[in-house]
This record gives sequence, structure tokens and C-alpha cells, in this order.
Amino acid sequence: QKEVEQDPGPLSVPEGAIVSLNCTYSNSAFQYFMWYRQYSRKGPELLMYTYSSGNKEDGRFTAQVDKSSKYISLFIRDSQPSDSATYLCAMISYNTDKLIFGTGTRLQVFP
Amino acid sequence: GAGVSQTPSNKVTEKGKYVELRCDPISGHTALYWYRQSLGQGPEFLIYFQGTGAADDSGLPNDRFFAVRPEGSVSTLKIQRTERGDSAVYLCASSQKAGGLTGELFFGEGSRLTVL
Repeated sequence: QKEVEQDPGPLSVPEGAIVSLNCTYSNSAFQYFMWYRQYSRKGPELLMYTYSSGNKEDGRFTAQVDKSSKYISLFIRDSQPSDSATYLCAMISYNTDKLIFGTGTRLQVFP
Repeated sequence: GAGVSQTPSNKVTEKGKYVELRCDPISGHTALYWYRQSLGQGPEFLIYFQGTGAADDSGLPNDRFFAVRPEGSVSTLKIQRTERGDSAVYLCASSQKAGGLTGELFFGEGSRLTVL
């Protein structure tokens, strides 16, 4: 079993839809949770960063962490075609500097 | 430079050959990471440097893979006796400090390695 599980998609939604992206994990030592966005043939770029449980909002993006369920989510409101990319969840534990990524979910927002 | 620079952007080689991939991190970033990303997969951790020393090399798949960062800036990932299974995009990332504190790794665009 992988430490971080993520549905690879693809996920196809119309412009303006609310998108929900999710990851589950098995390592209870994970304390820092991130979402990265990766466009085709580019490196990942950090979108959201959350420490421990709770919600964090940034514009159209909301990140949620539920440590009791070992489940994290990213919501995208009013999705745009420019949001079309692969979304990677990533986690790091308190006792290591090694960022562990999920498989990535490919999102396509069509006009 | 403004971002993480990786060269070459593309490398095609034959099975059994030796390959070097170079990473030039953001100026002043002390932490440097190498990841490998296969098609349809997320980045897989290979090795992490803090300064000149390898702080964690637990992700290197075998002894054909080696990385150096002799002056605490530029890093080179070296792959000996390449195999077709080594074909992937090799990503380099740098961070101002250890990733655990901020999680913000700045990635380069990667070196796409194809082993024929």
C-alpha cells in the first residue's frame, strides 16, 4: 500500500463547476499537507499549504485536512479552463524533510 | 537566475550509457531535492541535500544512481549503466530551508531522460 493514495482521474468538468480533489494517507506522522499544481511538461508549483487539521482558503481554493480520517481535500470554486492541470497532494512528517507525493489527479475544465 | 534551472531539458541515450543531469537551484536556497516522475505518476523522492551533504538518500533506487553537490549550490545527478526503466522526468527542487518547515519546494521544469 502506498503512503499516499490519490485518484488519477481524469476529471472533466464544465467551466464554473465546483471541483473536489482528494487524497488519503496511511502515515499518522504526516503533519504538513500541500497541494501542488502541475501543467503539462512543467514542474509542480505550490498552491496551498496547511499544517495539521482544519481548513484554509485562498481565493477560489479551499484546502481541508481531517487527520482523524487521514483524508485531505482541495476544492476549487468557479473553475476555469486555466485550472486544467494535474493536481498533486503532498505530505511531510514532523521528523523528516522528505515530501511524499500522491499520484496526481488530472483535471480538465471545458468552456 | 530567477528559478530552478535544469539541464539538459531532454536527453536520449542508449542502454548501458552514463548520464549526468544538472540542477542550478535558486540563489541562497540551502536545501536541494531530486525527484523522479514517471508517466502518469507523482514525483518520487530520490535524494535531499542540506548544504553540501546528502541528508537523506533513501530514495535512490540502487547504486547506479549517485548525486553530488560539492559547493552547496549546483547539483549533479549521475546515472551509470542506464536501463530502459530509468526513462522518466527527473525533477530538481530547492527550498530556503528544510521542507518540513514550510513545504515550499520550488521545482525546475525537469530533465526528460529517454533510454533506448
